[in-house]
Amino acid sequence: DSGVTQTPKHLITATGQRVTLRCSPRSGDLSVYWYQQSLDQGLQFLIQYYNGEERAKGNILERFSAQQFPDLHSELNLSSLELGDSALYFCASSGRQLPSGANVLTFGAGSRLTVL
Amino acid sequence: AQTVTQSQPEMSVQEAETVTLSCTYDTSESNYYLFWYKQPPSRQMILVIRQEAYKQQNATENRFSVNFQKAAKSFSLKISDSQLGDTAMYFCAFMRVQGAQKLVFGQGTRLTINP
Repeated sequence: DSGVTQTPKHLITATGQRVTLRCSPRSGDLSVYWYQQSLDQGLQFLIQYYNGEERAKGNILERFSAQQFPDLHSELNLSSLELGDSALYFCASSGRQLPSGANVLTFGAGSRLTVL
Repeated sequence: AQTVTQSQPEMSVQEAETVTLSCTYDTSESNYYLFWYKQPPSRQMILVIRQEAYKQQNATENRFSVNFQKAAKSFSLKISDSQLGDTAMYFCAFMRVQGAQKLVFGQGTRLTINP
């Protein structure tokens, strides 16, 4: 158990629908990252939050949005779903830093979204 | 923008052999971090090893070691005495020091260890 909790583990829905994926970071971690992994592909960075504020944004579609709440959990909202949105969505959190200042990301187990 | 390239989509070796996975990256930054993550069939992302660019010494974690060639922008992973449990996708990743510290991943190498 990495300490990063993602729900749901699996989700099947239809095109045009909206879903919400939830992430609880490791205790004490202030940063949350969202990544998308399509079938057997690398992980694509979507967005990062730090202590409730958006810190960085990747190639996140306008149909997707996210937020981080005061208790530091985060939600990723995916709307007007298309077949191509089927993927594994990872949340990662960070708080620990290497002596040189790098953040160490710890990943959750992912939420597998299937759009039919 | 930084890019990470893994040129070997798939590799397969026999148990107990040594295998090396390749990774190259492109950046104009002088200081950064490099990582190898493992993704077994469970799909969990597991940190294998990390390297800080300012350190000349190659990182080692038990059977895992890296060959970091900063001038060549190369960061290969060597797995010694490979085990069946090493079967997984392996992703090379880059992180900047300054600014947004997000991981940029390569496309991965699928490694199969055969008995």
